[in-house]
Amino acid sequence: EIVMTQSPATLSVSPGERATLSCRASQTVSSNLAWYQQKPGQAPRLLIYGASTRATGIPARFSGSGSGTEFTLTISSLQSEDSAVYHCQQYNNWPPGTFGQGTKVEIK
Amino acid sequence: EVQLLESGGGLVQPGGSLRLSCAASGFTFSSYAMSWVRQAPGKGLEWVSGISGTGDSTDYTDSVKGRFTISRDNSKNTLYLQMNSLGVDDTAIYYCAKKVAGNRPFDTWGQGTLVTVSS
Repeated sequence: EIVMTQSPATLSVSPGERATLSCRASQTVSSNLAWYQQKPGQAPRLLIYGASTRATGIPARFSGSGSGTEFTLTISSLQSEDSAVYHCQQYNNWPPGTFGQGTKVEIK
Repeated sequence: EVQLLESGGGLVQPGGSLRLSCAASGFTFSSYAMSWVRQAPGKGLEWVSGISGTGDSTDYTDSVKGRFTISRDNSKNTLYLQMNSLGVDDTAIYYCAKKVAGNRPFDTWGQGTLVTVSS
């Protein structure tokens, strides 16, 4: 089973600043990597798939990059509504589509 | 509008059973693979089980094999998860999620239903 490791566990960023989240796979997942946003009490929402393609309706301040085993989610100018937990998921080896443990983004 | 609405969660004693349902609307249900994903309190997401659009192919994570059964009724646009021999480690919010068949991400999630296993 592929293990996904996210860092940091918690990220505190001021409004308007850049947030950079990392996700590492224990073996290559090609570009079959998704990012989800989960706000408190809500279901996850697909942000990015194919490592770098924004899902429908996702603002341009969210961008994804990487391939193989190293991936990054960048929020270019953090807004208050971006406070959430962000999960990465590999779907290259299916099943299971394993998830990282999540990164919590806090507004400083 | 694409919607997934789970139901059937609740409090159950260890060793008990529960059946979750997920009612789908706003899309052609039979064209999509469906999964159950759970999230234990304060933990990350864990894929539990998946089923193909026709229902003829199913998969389970190792920890639930032999205890959980996923199924679907395409005439009712509903996904199910029969959970037997429940243990405290099964306590979680259970989400249903849809995706295109093959190596694709989950594009829509339900709001989840809470399952609590406790004596």
